[in-house]
Amino acid sequence: DVKVTQSSRYLVKRTGEKVFLECVQDMDHENMFWYRQDPGLGLRLIYFSYDVKMKEKGDIPEGYSVSREKKERFSLILESASTNQTSMYLCASSLERGGETQYFGPGTRLLVL
Amino acid sequence: QKEVEQDPGPLSVPEGAIVSLNCTYSNSAFQYFMWYRQYSRKGPELLMYTYSSGNKEDGRFTAQVDKSSKYISLFIRDSQPSDSATYLCAMSAIDFNKFYFGSGTKLNVKP
Repeated sequence: DVKVTQSSRYLVKRTGEKVFLECVQDMDHENMFWYRQDPGLGLRLIYFSYDVKMKEKGDIPEGYSVSREKKERFSLILESASTNQTSMYLCASSLERGGETQYFGPGTRLLVL
Repeated sequence: QKEVEQDPGPLSVPEGAIVSLNCTYSNSAFQYFMWYRQYSRKGPELLMYTYSSGNKEDGRFTAQVDKSSKYISLFIRDSQPSDSATYLCAMSAIDFNKFYFGSGTKLNVKP
């Protein structure tokens, strides 16, 4: 079974803090994704990566950056957290860039005060 | 117009009912169609995956794709309270950079 893990289930941070969310997958997948999920807005793609050290912007990259130094690990960074970044953050991985399926992690609920 | 449209519900049914969940889409290039189940405060889990048109059955779940109508469905037979969750449809194609998700339908199965 594919396993995608995220470093934290719940996080509480203060406005202006730098926040790191980490994601690890164990299936040797090429592609990894970061989404945020908000009520009424559904899943929105922040960034994705199709290879080590490669990254592409998704639909809402502003205020975020990412890092992929190893194939199995994909980090999402909030350079200076703001209250409007309070959300559920979901990491996913897939073998093909747009084909077959994505597998999701359990999510990180981030609250920015 | 969104790429993928899904009725948000909520949909409330009695235990044992047959449930029909649906999505419509606009891009005829989509080839891969997925259904995810998401329990409250958890990540989505893959439920069903189909390629191109046709039906796929897995236990109480049947996924149906009608590419001519750009319409996909998920049927749940003998629904159980444990099926209460939000169901997300998703689709993509091999040459695409990303997956396209519906906004999710919240299902409540009453005992």
